[in-house]
Formats: sequence, C-alpha cells, structure tokens
Amino acid sequence: DTEVTQTPKHLVMGMTNKKSLKCEQHMGHRAMYWYKQKAKKPPELMFVYSYEKLSINESVPSRFSPECPNSSLLNLHLHALQPEDSALYLCASKTSGGSGNEQFFGPGTRLTVL
Amino acid sequence: KNEVEQSPQNLTAQEGEFITINCSYSVGISALHWLQQHPGGGIVSLFMLSSGKKKHGRLIATINIQEKHSSLHITASHPRDSAVYICAVPNYGGSQGNLIFGKGTKLSVKP
Repeated sequence: DTEVTQTPKHLVMGMTNKKSLKCEQHMGHRAMYWYKQKAKKPPELMFVYSYEKLSINESVPSRFSPECPNSSLLNLHLHALQPEDSALYLCASKTSGGSGNEQFFGPGTRLTVL
Repeated sequence: KNEVEQSPQNLTAQEGEFITINCSYSVGISALHWLQQHPGGGIVSLFMLSSGKKKHGRLIATINIQEKHSSLHITASHPRDSAVYICAVPNYGGSQGNLIFGKGTKLSVKP
C-alpha cells in the first residue's frame, strides 16, 4: 500500500459548523504534514507531526486543530471557519523528518466555507 | 529559507512537442522534487533527485547541484500531460522535511 488517503474529497460547511478532515497512510511513515493550497497558488505548510508529536505549527489560527491519534492517522478539526479558509487541504507523509526521503501526497479535501 | 523560482509560469504546446520546465533555488539542497497536479486534483510525486538525471517514461528530470538548477523535460507531449508542474525543495530552516514549493508551471498541450 503506497498511498495516502484523505476523506472527505469535498466538504461544504457553514461558519458555525464543526467538521473534521481525515488522512490515513499505511506505509509506516512517521512524519505527516498538512498543507493548505489556495487556487492557483503553491501549497503552504500548516502543521508537521513527527512520531505522532506536533513539531511545527506555522502560526495557523486556532480554528484549525490538528490531531495525530496514531502513526497511521492524521486529523484536522475545523471550527468557526471563515470563507477565506476555503481551499484544498493536502495531507502528505514521508518515512521520517529530514530532507532525503520522498514525500507522498494525498488527493486532498476541497473545502468550501459559506 | 530557500527561494524556488520556476519558468515559464505558463506554457502552451502542440501535441508531440518537446517540453522543458526550469527550476532554480537559492540554498544548496540534498534532493529536489518534481510534482504534478492536474486541475482540481491532488499532487503526484514525479521525481525526487539529488544528482544527475532520472527518466520515467516520457519524463526526464535533471539537476545540476553546483548551479542550483533543475529541469523537467517531457518528450512527445500529449494532451494528458496538461497539468501544473511544481518544483519543490526541502526547507532547510528546520529539520522536519517539509517542502518549499515553486509557483508552478501550467502546461497546456493542444491536440
């Protein structure tokens, strides 16, 4: 199994809703990433988990709350989002931190906030 | 922080043409990534290379570490190659392996 899966593929939510994005990999990777990509822009890093511990938070607003319950699963909990948070949310994983390994990306969740 | 520049930003080609996309970066790296993203889609890793050249089907990636430059070539281009091609390098500001991305090259191959 050499893929990263993300659910849901599409999500529409209101500003008062609470929802969660899910990312899963079974490659034994111990580094997992959340990126946010706005239309026609490159991805931007949000969070890095290394060995199930949050190691980087790129000054992301608290309405985004990441969680890594085990080495295969990464969640992103969403609450009180704003319309400008509408974007493609990409999950990625790699063997471990450091620069020498290939990073595998999921297909993304396209989020629309009304 | 590494700066990644890609050129051209947009590229239109006729089917069958040879395509070249360029990437330059400012800080020395151990590996560079070429990624592909179809419209509305997720990202697929095409190559990770640290020296020389790699080939996969009609795709060829080269890197010159001394010149901090890489190229992605597509031979005999096809409309299904239409996508955004992104060059990415490790963020050496930290040790967590996250990538810094170029702005991408939008390729459109006409039949």
